[in-house]
Amino acid sequence: NAGVTQTPKFQVLKTGQSMTLQCAQDMNHNSMYWYRQDPGMGLRLIYYSASEGTTDKGEVPNGYNVSRLNKREFSLRLESAAPSQTSVYFCASISDRATYNEQFFGPGTRLTVL
Amino acid sequence: AQSVTQPDIHITVSEGASLELRCNYSYGATPYLFWYVQSPGQGLQLLLKYFSGDTLVQGIKGFEAEFKRSQSSFNLRKPSVHWSDAAEYFCAVGALNQGGKLIFGQGTELSVKP
Repeated sequence: NAGVTQTPKFQVLKTGQSMTLQCAQDMNHNSMYWYRQDPGMGLRLIYYSASEGTTDKGEVPNGYNVSRLNKREFSLRLESAAPSQTSVYFCASISDRATYNEQFFGPGTRLTVL
Repeated sequence: AQSVTQPDIHITVSEGASLELRCNYSYGATPYLFWYVQSPGQGLQLLLKYFSGDTLVQGIKGFEAEFKRSQSSFNLRKPSVHWSDAAEYFCAVGALNQGGKLIFGQGTELSVKP
């Protein structure tokens, strides 16, 4: 049982490049989330997936797309990276989104856009 | 607007001293309140949560928090700090109908002096 895993751990991109951040959970959780963490701003929700086959925008969705590939995997794509997207990205999953039970965060992906 | 404020960006305490980290929230619905800890380069770990009932909640690692509705506060406390408690602490708020989404405070970095 690995919990929530994220790949890669680190990434450096040039402005305009694209990439996909991968997230997987092996806890059979229904709901998954992508947050970004910036200094002095805490974590902000980018997108979330309440259940397999559904995705919704969070607080800061611009410049991102997501795919809930199956129940285990929830990927975040940057189509044309910008320096403002330099951040640490965290994936999270929850077993029961009504009660926030069994909530886990991944270790994060540190992204730098030059 | 829904928000969480952690007024202290950085706090330094001596090992063995007591600790209180402040958290204030602004939320329209009955809030679910959380405290997380993040060690350097790591993901977030849930310390404790409050949904309802007893306003003093106990968490892991000897932490506790008290919900005060009249003050819109959920302050985190520990009677005696250990050097290993040095980390960043985040307060967050959610609610029953929020689909598992969280709004985070800006974070408080805790340093522990020997």
